[in-house]
Amino acid sequence: DGGITQSPKYLFRKEGQNVTLSCEQNLNHDAMYWYRQDPGQGLRLIYYSQIVNDFQKGDIAEGYSVSREKKESFPLTVTSAQKNPTAFYLCASSTPGETGELFFGEGSRLTVL
Amino acid sequence: EDQVTQSPEALRLQEGESSSLNCSYTVSGLRGLFWYRQDPGKGPEFLFTLYSAGEEKEKERLKATLTKKESFLHITAPKPEDSATYLCAVWRSQGNLIFGKGTKLSVKP
Repeated sequence: DGGITQSPKYLFRKEGQNVTLSCEQNLNHDAMYWYRQDPGQGLRLIYYSQIVNDFQKGDIAEGYSVSREKKESFPLTVTSAQKNPTAFYLCASSTPGETGELFFGEGSRLTVL
Repeated sequence: EDQVTQSPEALRLQEGESSSLNCSYTVSGLRGLFWYRQDPGKGPEFLFTLYSAGEEKEKERLKATLTKKESFLHITAPKPEDSATYLCAVWRSQGNLIFGKGTKLSVKP
């Protein structure tokens, strides 16, 4: 079945540590996105990529980094510079021209201890 | 400032009790409005796209409508399995989405 796989589902880290969240898709979509979801808040865009080897900052990119070396993969690194990293992280993809119709993964919940 | 507001924040219904969820928006250059369903601990699932005022889309017990300033998600004779958080998102001329905070729907048997 086609879809988006995020891993790990749950992750704990100590303050000051970087952590990388994995996102893989087999939908053959060009565009991929990373969102952050906090209780009582709407989804907020961290980074997005429309094509391999290219990506743009979203609304809350500070303290995060991404890469897009393969069409299928769009990993997100939460760095120690991110002041409040505890959140639910969602990866999504879309077909060209259908930017609003996103396919989401199951999410990764990061907790900083 | 572009904004998407959903109301109510939470809605409790009895099974079979129809109601509506609201999504009001102020954006420059609306390109589309989207509804998603999100179950606890899961990623959102796409439901509908609406592009122009007057447009309607239906899926089972759900019907989405769009005006120039807001969208409604009507739920007819809901069942407990319709319980979820419903998210509204607006696609603006700058090319990315703005999400509302969602409405948490609970349907009791």
